[in-house]
Amino acid sequence: AQSVAQPEDQVNVAEGNPLTVKCTYSVSGNPYLFWYVQYPNRGLQFLLKYITGDNLVKGSYGFEAEFNKSQTSFHLKKPSALVSDSALYFCAVRKQAGNTGKLIFGQGTTLQVKP
Amino acid sequence: NAGVTQTPKFRVLKTGQSMTLLCAQDMNHEYMYWYRQDPGMGLRLIHYSVGEGTTAKGEVPDGYNVSRLKKQNFLLGLESAAPSQTSVYFCASSRKTSGQETQYFGPGTRLLVL
Repeated sequence: AQSVAQPEDQVNVAEGNPLTVKCTYSVSGNPYLFWYVQYPNRGLQFLLKYITGDNLVKGSYGFEAEFNKSQTSFHLKKPSALVSDSALYFCAVRKQAGNTGKLIFGQGTTLQVKP
Repeated sequence: NAGVTQTPKFRVLKTGQSMTLLCAQDMNHEYMYWYRQDPGMGLRLIHYSVGEGTTAKGEVPDGYNVSRLKKQNFLLGLESAAPSQTSVYFCASSRKTSGQETQYFGPGTRLLVL
């Protein structure tokens, strides 16, 4: 069965510092991996995805994520955090073979960036 | 292009009442999904549809029904609401998928069942 774990409920960083939001996954076969962000009282917005190829994926708002197959991880990173990055972040996985588009989401990580 | 829209934005129900949540998308997407979001549990798939006239169960389908009579609309029904159905409901859509396609989400419907 597919699963996603986001081990931290909350991540706190100071503005200007680098940030990392962790995600590990479990799926049989090769995965498609996604990051979404949710601002208060809003729907989820797509940030980036890993399909194949380069393990470092660049996305919206200066975010990037690194796919590590041996560690089954897909951590979200940004070199310099902004206060406006404060939001709820979700990692999601879908297996490549035989899928019907169903995504499995992690429980979410709240990112708090302090001035 | 409005994307994915949901109505209503907020609703309060009494236990046993029924209601229908409407999702509409104007992107000509084949696939549509209904999720519920509960604190600490991420998003869980309720039902989904891979095309007009077809629906399928997701991870947590009990207590819900859906219909996809038109390609652009996906309705989620609660026949007899229960307090456990208090949640935020999100609709999403995507192109006919090989797995790579991004899902686009609506703004959500907050439902409180008393």
